Parts: sequence; C-alpha cells; structure tokens
Amino acid sequence: QVQVEESGGGVVQPGGSLRLSCAASGFTFSAYGLHWVRQVPGEGLDWVAVISSDGTNKYYAASVKGRFTISRDNARQTLYLQMNSLRVEDTAIYYCARGTGRTGYEPSDYWGQGTLVTVSS
Amino acid sequence: EVLMTQSPATLSVSPGERATLSCRASESINTILAWYQQKPGQAPRLLIHGASTRATGIPARFSGSGSGTEFTLTISSLQSEDFAVYYCQQYNNWPLTFGGGTKVEI
Repeated sequence: QVQVEESGGGVVQPGGSLRLSCAASGFTFSAYGLHWVRQVPGEGLDWVAVISSDGTNKYYAASVKGRFTISRDNARQTLYLQMNSLRVEDTAIYYCARGTGRTGYEPSDYWGQGTLVTVSS
Repeated sequence: EVLMTQSPATLSVSPGERATLSCRASESINTILAWYQQKPGQAPRLLIHGASTRATGIPARFSGSGSGTEFTLTISSLQSEDFAVYYCQQYNNWPLTFGGGTKVEI
C-alpha cells in the first residue's frame, strides 16, 4: 500500500536550519509530483512547496521562497525539504503528500502523519 | 495569489442531516478544486477533486459542485465519522492555496 513517512523535525533556534525527509513506498515514486504542506497545530493548512516527478519543476509559497529548497532522490524514493533561516512563524507540523499526477498541478491523495518543527529560542 | 474563502467557519448539524459547505475563489479557477477532510490528530484525506469527482473509496454521500469562483461540498446524511474539519484547495495557479476550513460539529 502507498505510504509516506516524514522525519527530521525537531526544535531549532531562529536563524537555524533543518532538513526534513519523506520516505515513500508502495508506488512508482518517480511517476508522481510531491508536496510539502504545513499546519500550525489547531490552525489551517498552508501549502509550502511542490516538485514535479522528474525534479525539474519546483514551486514555492512566497513565505518560504529563497529560504526553503525542495528536492527528491528518485533512486532512494525520498523527498526532502531543506529549511534555512528559520523563523518562529515556520513552527508547524510539516506533511509530505503525494500528488495525483506528475506535474504538481494536482491535489494530494496520500499524506504522511507529519513531523513537528518548532522554531524557538 | 488566489484567495480561498470558506463559509461558515463552523457548521452545527445533527446526525442524519444534510450539510452544505461553501468555498469561494478570488478569481476563476474553472473546476480545479479539491476538498479534504481532516480529523483531530490525523492527516488530511482527499475527498473530491476536479470540483465534483469523488476520490477513491469516498462514500457517495459526499458530493461536490461548482465552477469558476463558487463551489459547494454537500454531505447528504451526516454520519458520526463525518464530524471533522473540511478544507477546499485550488490547484489551478501557483501558489496552491487552501481555504481556512469549515468545522462540522454536532
């Protein structure tokens, strides 16, 4: 069955860096776009970034552009989110989600359980 | 960016009743809209895509409609497991954007 599992969350100081990973299984990883979506506990969903199936196209929310980098390793079936210059307002649960197609212009049909990132001094 | 506005913020209904949730886009997105359900402590679950197509395994009591800027999610007869928060999302333009959510409560 399709599974995606995030890891790498934790507590980091403002200005620090963190790299999230998302390990996938149960589907042809290289055939799907992948998203990162975040959610402050108790609040709504906030789309962060997407990468196309072959890794050539990447798009970011304005709030993270220039600070976060999405990437993927199709051989390892793993998605990444490198987060630099972290701010208190980046504190959230970060979800990895599979798109329903290749490009990223799709909704997300499988989601992980999320990993919590806390930015605090 | 396309702003997605959901109403009401909270909807109080009884089991067996119909629930109607609204989502409005700040510009036309054709039918490029999805609906998700999220229960406490769980990840979102895709319900509807293309404004009206149920995702795999979603019960027929969930239906979506609309195009352009006005969209509706209808739950025809609420079951106990349907009490949750529902989000709409447009995927027609970058950045993808979600509505603020509607909480369906008893």
